[in-house]
Amino acid sequence: HVQLVESGGGVVQPGGSLRVSCAASGFTFSAYGMHWVRQAPGKGLEWVAFIRYHGGEEHHADSVKGRFIISRDNSKNTLYLQMNSLRPDDTAVYFCAKDDPGKIFDYWGQGTLVIVSS
Amino acid sequence: DIQMTQSPSSLSASVGDRVTITCRASQDIRNDLGWYQQKPGKAPKRLIYAASSLQSGVPSRFSGSGSGTEFTLTISSLQPEDFAAYYCLQHNSYPPIYTFGQGTKLEIK
Repeated sequence: HVQLVESGGGVVQPGGSLRVSCAASGFTFSAYGMHWVRQAPGKGLEWVAFIRYHGGEEHHADSVKGRFIISRDNSKNTLYLQMNSLRPDDTAVYFCAKDDPGKIFDYWGQGTLVIVSS
Repeated sequence: DIQMTQSPSSLSASVGDRVTITCRASQDIRNDLGWYQQKPGKAPKRLIYAASSLQSGVPSRFSGSGSGTEFTLTISSLQPEDFAAYYCLQHNSYPPIYTFGQGTKLEIK
C-alpha cells in the first residue's frame, strides 16, 4: 500500500534553513508528480510546491517562491523541500502528497512540524 | 491566480441532518475540483474528485456537484464520524498553481 513518511521537521530560528524529506513506498515513485502542502497551527491548508515525475519541472506558491525549493531523488524514492530564509509565518505542519493526474492529490503523509522561532 | 471562496467557514449541525458546503472559483475551472475531509491531527482524506466522483470506500451519503465556478459538497445524513473540517481544492490552472478553499469546520450542535 502507498506510504508517505515525512521527516526533518524541528525548531529553527528566523532567517535559518531546514530541509524536510518525504520517503515514498508502495507505488512507482518515479512515475508520479509530488506536492508539498502546509498547515499553520489552527489554520487551513496551503499548497506550497509541485514537482513533475521526472524532476525537470517544478512550481512554487508565491508565498515561498525564491525561498523554498522542491526536489526529488527518484533513485531513493524521496521528495525534499529545502526551506531557506525562514520566517515565523512559515511555522506549520508540512505534508507531502502524491499527485493523481487529472484529479486532486490522492495520498498524503502524516506531516512534519516546522517551528520558526527565536 | 484562481481564488477559491468556501462557505460557510463553520457549521453546527445534528446527527441525521443534511448539510451543504459551497466553493466558488474566481474563474471557470470546468470540473477540476475535489473535496477533502480532515480530522484533528490527521492528514486530509480525499472524498470527491472531478467535482462529483466519489472516492472508492467513501460512504454514499457524501456527494459532490457543480462545474464552472460553483461547486457543492453535500452530506445527506450526518453521522457522528463526519464531524471534521472540509476543504475544496482546485487544480485547473497552468502553470500548476493549486488553491484550497478556506475550509469549513463542521461541529456537533
